[in-house]
Amino acid sequence: EAGVVQSPRYKIIEKKQPVAFWCNPISGHNTLYWYRQNLGQGPELLIRYENEEAVDDSQLPKDRFSAERLKGVDSTLKIQPAELGDSAVYLCASSFFVGNEQFFGPGTRLTVL
Amino acid sequence: KNEVEQSPQNLTAQEGEFITINCSYSVGISALHWLQQHPGGGIVSLFMLSSGKKKHGRLIATINIQEKHSSLHITASHPRDSAVYICASYGGNQFYFGTGTSLTVIP
Repeated sequence: EAGVVQSPRYKIIEKKQPVAFWCNPISGHNTLYWYRQNLGQGPELLIRYENEEAVDDSQLPKDRFSAERLKGVDSTLKIQPAELGDSAVYLCASSFFVGNEQFFGPGTRLTVL
Repeated sequence: KNEVEQSPQNLTAQEGEFITINCSYSVGISALHWLQQHPGGGIVSLFMLSSGKKKHGRLIATINIQEKHSSLHITASHPRDSAVYICASYGGNQFYFGTGTSLTVIP
């Protein structure tokens, strides 16, 4: 069975440019998470979806970040415009239901110059 | 908010040593997760537990609900165990992650 797929794996952009990350969760998983992980830190939740509904986006910087999960499967996280402080690894994870074991994708390492 | 603290932050061990990583949290939870992250790699879930003890191979995880404390033990450590180990608490529909313990096992 395929795991959580993310693309791209690496992205380098200049500040003020837009960027988008894509995630395909494990088939059948209702819950999808987007995390940001800075070097030496644990993951920080950005947004959690239950099917297509965003049920926890309290930590998402809504002035520049947006996300969607159309049809409750794939998800896209966008940053526009990117700032230097957005450089981090963006992780996607999925689980059958919230609180269950999470399966993480390989992450997208974003560098903003 | 649940404060999750791990200790030690960094740990170096000789191959074969018994290793313990500790995690404490501040409020009641439904479950405690232990995760492993290799350098440059993704995160793998090791354990999810809400009481008692779980064992998988050389890894053992325990939790004491009353003391709000969990431990991850590695027996007969091996260089391939070198990774960052992260504990995460789950409660009230929220996950809170520790900052991780960086383990290096020297041959």
